[in-house]
Amino acid sequence: EPEVTQTPSHQVTQMGQEVILRCVPISNHLYFYWYRQILGQKVEFLVSFYNNEISEKSEIFDDQFSVERPDGSNFTLKIRSTKLEDSAMYFCASTGLGETQYFGPGTRLLVL
Amino acid sequence: GENVEQHPSTLSVQEGDSAVIKCTYSDSASNYFPWYKQELGKRPQLIIDIRSNVGEKKDQRIAVTLNKTAKHFSLHITETQPEDSAVYFCAASSRGGSYIPTFGRGTSLIVHP
Repeated sequence: EPEVTQTPSHQVTQMGQEVILRCVPISNHLYFYWYRQILGQKVEFLVSFYNNEISEKSEIFDDQFSVERPDGSNFTLKIRSTKLEDSAMYFCASTGLGETQYFGPGTRLLVL
Repeated sequence: GENVEQHPSTLSVQEGDSAVIKCTYSDSASNYFPWYKQELGKRPQLIIDIRSNVGEKKDQRIAVTLNKTAKHFSLHITETQPEDSAVYFCAASSRGGSYIPTFGRGTSLIVHP
């Protein structure tokens, strides 16, 4: 069964550094999403992406964040200047024509 | 925007007992309600979902009920097993270009053997 994949599984960075989180959605899916989950808390929506542009974003997704689909398979989340509070698990998800979201395994980001 | 409340935050049951997790939502336009199971350190995985044109849906030991008038929906797990232990998240969403679920805070279910 096809799955969403994410790299890296863990990322440790210094505050102020840029990080890029990578995702490969399921190949025939149309909508792509990034979510964040701070340890022990609920999953929070960051941004959705459709037809090569952002379709919706939350208040968390400020100017420090950007997304890109650089080629036909990858979907990336960039954090320009990381803060301590960006430490979290970041999940990518994708959907096809229906509503069901398929989540990737996540990238655990630790900002020191 | 949508607001989803989920209760209880933790639920401890004996193996074989039933478990019920309840959620309420605020946006009457929400019409899709998925439930996700998240094991420790793993991704959320969809276990069951229900759409607003249906009041109940069952899949083996798992069932979900929806009361649109009261804006609440519940997850029922019967004959619980230790491998059911996980965090369960409810969510509510509506189509506005894409389904973007608003998640509840999660219920940590512990099934004691």
